[in-house]
Amino acid sequence: AQSVTQLGSHVSVSEGALVLLRCNYSSSVPPYLFWYVQYPNQGLQLLLKYTSAATLVKGINGFEAEFKKSETSFHLTKPSAHMSDAAEYFCAVSPPYISNFGNEKLTFGTGTRLTIIP
Amino acid sequence: EPEVTQTPSHQVTQMGQEVILRCVPISNHLYFYWYRQILGQKVEFLVSFYNNEISEKSEIFDDQFSVERPDGSNFTLKIRSTKLEDSAMYFCASSRWGANGYTFGSGTRLTVV
Repeated sequence: AQSVTQLGSHVSVSEGALVLLRCNYSSSVPPYLFWYVQYPNQGLQLLLKYTSAATLVKGINGFEAEFKKSETSFHLTKPSAHMSDAAEYFCAVSPPYISNFGNEKLTFGTGTRLTIIP
Repeated sequence: EPEVTQTPSHQVTQMGQEVILRCVPISNHLYFYWYRQILGQKVEFLVSFYNNEISEKSEIFDDQFSVERPDGSNFTLKIRSTKLEDSAMYFCASSRWGANGYTFGSGTRLTVV
């Protein structure tokens, strides 16, 4: 079974500082990996995804993540935090292959709440 | 940009009552999903649906739950007899092909009292 572990349920950074949210995965083969963001009282918005192409993935709002097979990691980074980045961030994993006729479920991590300090 | 629409945004129901949560997936998507998020916890898979039948379901999705695509556009989740522990945010999602192309709705917050 696949799983992801997000280290740190709460992360606080100063505005303008580097954002680093950690995600490690467990899978027998390199999976597909995703980062979603959830703003208060809203749904899940896809930030970026890794699907076996480039290992450095750029997403929306200036975020990027690097897939590192040797470390089984997919950490999310942003060079300079903005107040609007305050939200809950979820890492998720799915099988790398198309199974069940293209139907893959996502397995989510427990989330990291990002707080930006003015 | 196409959206997945969920209604209602918030529903309060008494324990033991039946609820139906509604979703309108993106029109050319073929795969449909329900996930739930208990307050303060992670998002959990409930069920996937393709070609008018359930493809996969989790252990959470017991006999009290059912899904239906009644008219080719709506996708519903029914809970027959709600329990307090069913209180959660329920997310609908659809995709054209697999996890690579998920779009989530904004969720229905279900409160069982």
